[in-house]
Parts: sequence; structure tokens; C-alpha cells
Amino acid sequence: GENVEQHPSTLSVQEGDSAVIKCTYSDSASNYFPWYKQELGKGPQLIIDIRSNVGEKKDQRIAVTLNKTAKHFSLHITETQPEDSAVYFCAASRTSGGYQKVTFGTGTKLQVIP
Amino acid sequence: EAGVAQSPRYKIIEKRQSVAFWCNPISGHATLYWYQQILGQGPKLLIQFQNNGVVDDSQLPKDRFSAERLKGVDSTLKIQPAKLEDSAVYLCASSPQTGVSYEQYFGPGTRLTVT
Repeated sequence: GENVEQHPSTLSVQEGDSAVIKCTYSDSASNYFPWYKQELGKGPQLIIDIRSNVGEKKDQRIAVTLNKTAKHFSLHITETQPEDSAVYFCAASRTSGGYQKVTFGTGTKLQVIP
Repeated sequence: EAGVAQSPRYKIIEKRQSVAFWCNPISGHATLYWYQQILGQGPKLLIQFQNNGVVDDSQLPKDRFSAERLKGVDSTLKIQPAKLEDSAVYLCASSPQTGVSYEQYFGPGTRLTVT
């Protein structure tokens, strides 16, 4: 089955700096790569996603890049703010039998220091 | 629109007891997921429903866990009997899975402590 590795497990940055989180996946059939943000006591919430036919996607301070050949994708957060502090999960998803089969990474705890 | 509802939010039980969790997905979402999230780890899929049919339960410990989705809407997840290692947050999510959007919408989760 799919295996998603995520690094680093913890990341501390100064407010205003950039943060980068990297993930690798094993299943070359994966075609959808979402990123979720989980705040304390809440369920994960989608912040950005990318499909396999796109190499890069940006939404304000957040961007995701995908390298299908190397089977890795990354989340970039620029101009970090204290409210960006949370746990971030990457995921890789493939179409199987008419539905999406999703595997999550292990998470990165991001701390933005004011 | 209303989000995914889960209850209870917290539950403490002793090992070998049984427990049930309830989930009400977003209206119209065909796909419903139950995840187990152990502290410090990512969500692990337990079971996935498409309408009221199971499409993936490969990681569900079927000797103690069971789940059903009534009339393709609400769902319950049951653990009987519970073990210490079942202590985790149980997340329910739903998705329209239209081909346009694969986004999963998560509920707040139920934190289970088994003593």
C-alpha cells in the first residue's frame, strides 16, 4: 500500500520567516495531494491541494510544489504568523474502484515564534 | 452549511468495556470516513463508506471494531471490548467526492481514554 513520509516532525521559525515541510510518497498512481492544518482540539482542515497534472499551486502565503518523478511534494509558507502555529499533515491519494484512497503523513508541528 | 458533527467529544472507559461514537456528515456528502489518530501521529483510516456501502475497511480491527452507516447518512463506530491501545482521537470526515472536489471535511473528533 501507499507509504507517506513527512519531514521534519517539528519546526520552529521566527515570525516573518518561511517554513518548508516535505513529503515523499511511494505509489506512483497517487494523483491528488492535499495538505491539512490541525489546530489543538480540532479536526484537520484543508489548506491547499494539488493534482498530479500540476507542478505548483499558490494561494496567498501558501504554496505547494509537486515532483512526480521523484515522488515528493512540499508545502511552503511565507511570511509566517503566530496563527500559523499548528500541526500540518500531508496526504497522498489515488483513485481506486471509483473512490479516492487517502494516506496521511505523520505530521509536522510548526511553531512560529513572535 | 453545517459542518461534520460528532458525539461525544470525550469518553473515558475501562478496558474490556464497550463504547460507541456517532457522526453526522455534511448533507449530501456521499463518502464518510472514520479515522483513528493516536497522539503525535497522522490520522489512520479505519473504514470508508460510499453512501451506505463499505469501500475500504482493510485497517479496521474487525474482532473488536464495527461500523455502520444508516441510510447513507449518519454513522456509528463501536469498539467492543476496548483495549488500552485504543486510546486515541476518533475522527469522522465526509467528502463530496464529485471528481471536482476530493476535500475531506473533518469533525472535531472524540477523544477516547481507556484505563
